[in-house]
Amino acid sequence: DIVMTQAPLSVSVTPGESASISCRSSKSLLHSNGITYVYWYLQKPGKSPQLLIYRMSNLASGVPDRFSGSGSETDFTLKISRVEAEDVGIYYCGQLLENPPTFGAGTKLELK
Amino acid sequence: EVQLQESGPGLVKPSQSLSLTCSVTGYSITSSYRWNWIRKFPGNKLEWMGYINSAGSTNYNPSLKSRISITRDTSKNQFFLQVNSVTTEDTATYYCARLGRGVDYWGQGVMVTVSS
Repeated sequence: DIVMTQAPLSVSVTPGESASISCRSSKSLLHSNGITYVYWYLQKPGKSPQLLIYRMSNLASGVPDRFSGSGSETDFTLKISRVEAEDVGIYYCGQLLENPPTFGAGTKLELK
Repeated sequence: EVQLQESGPGLVKPSQSLSLTCSVTGYSITSSYRWNWIRKFPGNKLEWMGYINSAGSTNYNPSLKSRISITRDTSKNQFFLQVNSVTTEDTATYYCARLGRGVDYWGQGVMVTVSS
């Protein structure tokens, strides 16, 4: 299975500041079709996970453009600009290149 | 709008079977996409369990393949999860979800505890 390693496991951010979460995969997630199959999700307290970013850098429907995704073949970053109170929760990266799909351990974002 | 809703017992005894239903509204499960079960363990780990696609074919996580089954009832637009021989390690919140460009729709989740 492809292992997804996230860092840090928790982060505390002042509202209005930016935050970055890293994710590393145990093998390249770049397919020969040019698509990088890494995804980002947010689980807000008491809610189901929601898709934020698909295929490394594409914003999912309804997601504020304060969120952005970037990376290479094995190293990926989710950046949140101007963190707001509604951004609190657990962020997960995940991969869909190979079966089985796997997820990172999660990064908990809190406000200072 | 696409909505998914899990239902099933919240408590299962060890060695018994866990059975859950996912009811889908706003989209036919026979039209397209893969319809998944994903669980979240205490401590936040997410595990993809398997899916049934729009044609009715299934794909399971190899770690669970011998114990799980995903089926569907197209007349009710529902799909189902069965996990056999459960142990306390199957205690988790179970989500049904649609796999499109990412897992783009999730149910609200059902917490299942395995305990005698």
